[in-house]
Amino acid sequence: EPEVTQTPSHQVTQMGQEVILRCVPISNHLYFYWYRQILGQKVEFLVSFYNNEISEKSEIFDDQFSVERPDGSNFTLKIRSTKLEDSAMYFCASSGETKFKLFFGSGTQLSVL
Amino acid sequence: GQSLEQPSEVTAVEGAIVQINCTYQTSGFYGLSWYQQHDGGAPTFLSYNALDGLEETGRFSSFLSRSDSYGYLLLQELQMKDSASYFCAVRREGSSNTGKLIFGQGTTLQVKP
Repeated sequence: EPEVTQTPSHQVTQMGQEVILRCVPISNHLYFYWYRQILGQKVEFLVSFYNNEISEKSEIFDDQFSVERPDGSNFTLKIRSTKLEDSAMYFCASSGETKFKLFFGSGTQLSVL
Repeated sequence: GQSLEQPSEVTAVEGAIVQINCTYQTSGFYGLSWYQQHDGGAPTFLSYNALDGLEETGRFSSFLSRSDSYGYLLLQELQMKDSASYFCAVRREGSSNTGKLIFGQGTTLQVKP
């Protein structure tokens, strides 16, 4: 079965550093998302991306965050200057025409020290 | 704003039936999804209800009452592997073209032998 892949699985960084989280969505999907989950808490929406542009973003997704689809397969989340509170599991997801059915990747655990 | 309420923990025995409730408050409700998440894993889609009534998928069923802003996930013939967290998630009209989901806090289901 096709799956969403994310790299790296773990990322440790110093506060103030830039990080890029990478995702390869399912190949024929059109809608791409980033969510995050702080340990023990609910999954929170960050941003959705369609047709090479952001279609919706949350209040968490401030100017420090950006997304890009640099080629036909990758989808990245960049955090320009990480803060301690950015420590979380970041999930990439994608969906096809059945927009309500999201396929999530295994996540990148980001630790900001 | 929007909010979703679900019990934090539920315990049941193998072979039993368990119901996980979800009540929501949101403007522009469009549909209710259920996702399963094992410890350290990615959320996995279980079901989606846009209309009132029961949707059945194998051992899992999901119900929605739009007038009561209420839904539930029913798990039958419980197995040990069903021990996981279960999240309800709302899709709103304004996000009908983006697939954005708002997740509840999750219900941890523990299945005992």
